Amino acid sequence: QVQLVESGGGVVQPGKSLRLSCAASGFSFSSFAMHWVRQAPGKGLEWVAVIVYDGSNKYYADSVKGRFTISKDESKNMLYLQMNSLRLEDTAVYYCLRRAMAGDNWGQGTLVTVSS
Amino acid sequence: AIQMTQSPSSLSASVGDRVTITCRASQDIRDDLSWYQQKPGKAPKLLISATSRLQSGVPSRFSGSASGTDFTLTISRLQPEDLATYYCLQDYNYPWTFGQGTRVEIK
Repeated sequence: QVQLVESGGGVVQPGKSLRLSCAASGFSFSSFAMHWVRQAPGKGLEWVAVIVYDGSNKYYADSVKGRFTISKDESKNMLYLQMNSLRLEDTAVYYCLRRAMAGDNWGQGTLVTVSS
Repeated sequence: AIQMTQSPSSLSASVGDRVTITCRASQDIRDDLSWYQQKPGKAPKLLISATSRLQSGVPSRFSGSASGTDFTLTISRLQPEDLATYYCLQDYNYPWTFGQGTRVEIK
């Protein structure tokens, strides 16, 4: 079955960097676009970024453009989110997401806390 | 970016009531609108894609419709397990955008 497992969250100071990972299994990783979605504590969902199936295109929310980079390693079935210049408002649970015709698959999320 | 305006932000209804939640897109998004249900502490669950396509396993009391750039999620007979926050999502173009969410409470 499809499984997505995020890791890499933690507490980080403003201005610092963090890399999130998402381990994918149970499907052909190279055939699907992969997304990151986040949710600040007590707030709504915010779409963050996508990498298309072959990695040729990446798109970002305006709030993270220029600071975050999405990437993937197909040899390892891993999705990444490199987060630089972190801000207090980046504090959130970060989910990875696969969209398919048969429906969505979400990870359990990893919490990133930006705090001084 | 396309703005999605969702209303109401919260509602309280009785078991068996008909509940409607609306999202308005700031521009034409064709039928590229999905609805999610999120329960506390859980990842969102896709209920409906492409405006009205009910996902496998989702109860038939959930339905989606559209009129122009206004999209509606309807719960025909509210059940206790429907206590959750509901979000719309436009997946017409990037950046995708979610509505602000509607918290559904049971009276």
